[in-house]
Amino acid sequence: DIVMTQSPDSLAVSLGERATINCKSSQSVLYRSYNKNYLAWYQQKPGQPPKLLIYWASTRESGVPDRFSGSGSGTDFTLTISSLQAEDVAVYYCQQYYSTPRVFGPGTKVDIK
Amino acid sequence: EVQLVESGGGLVQSGRSLRLSCEASGFTFEDYAMHWVRQAPGRGLEWVSGINWNSENTGYADSVKGRFTISRDNARNSLYLQMNSLRAEDTALYYCAKDKYSTWDAAFDIWGHGTMVTVSS
Repeated sequence: DIVMTQSPDSLAVSLGERATINCKSSQSVLYRSYNKNYLAWYQQKPGQPPKLLIYWASTRESGVPDRFSGSGSGTDFTLTISSLQAEDVAVYYCQQYYSTPRVFGPGTKVDIK
Repeated sequence: EVQLVESGGGLVQSGRSLRLSCEASGFTFEDYAMHWVRQAPGRGLEWVSGINWNSENTGYADSVKGRFTISRDNARNSLYLQMNSLRAEDTALYYCAKDKYSTWDAAFDIWGHGTMVTVSS
């Protein structure tokens, strides 16, 4: 099974500043035939279900603000919030959908400093 | 409106069974793979099981393999999870989630609000 790790476990960022979350997979999730990374990012606010933010590692889901961006390839990925807003306080999860089981990372909690 | 509504959760004794349901609306259910994802209180997300559009392919987490069975009824726009031999560690909020595309390999773009399962030991 692919193992997903995230760093840091939590971070606190000032409003308007950049937040960066890292995700690493134990094996590549790049499907070379399609040149696509099978990696998604989700946001979960307290008491709510997860919300898809990014898929194919860097494609923003419809309606997601452009301050959210994803990057990386192979085994190393990053979610960046370019200018943190109060409504971005949440736990963020990466997930690989390259193989079964569809493992999620342990999550990164983002707070306001 | 695209919607997933889970039901069937509750309090159950260890070793007993429970069947969860997820009713879909607002999209062509039969075109998409579907999944169950759970979240224990205060913990992260754990993928439980998935099924492709025509039920030919299913997958399970090792933690539930042999105990849980996923199924779907496309005529009823419904997804199910039969959970047998329940354990205390199965206590969690169970979410139903939809694949973004019709293929088996996509991110989960629509989520329900979940149904809580509590297993007492």
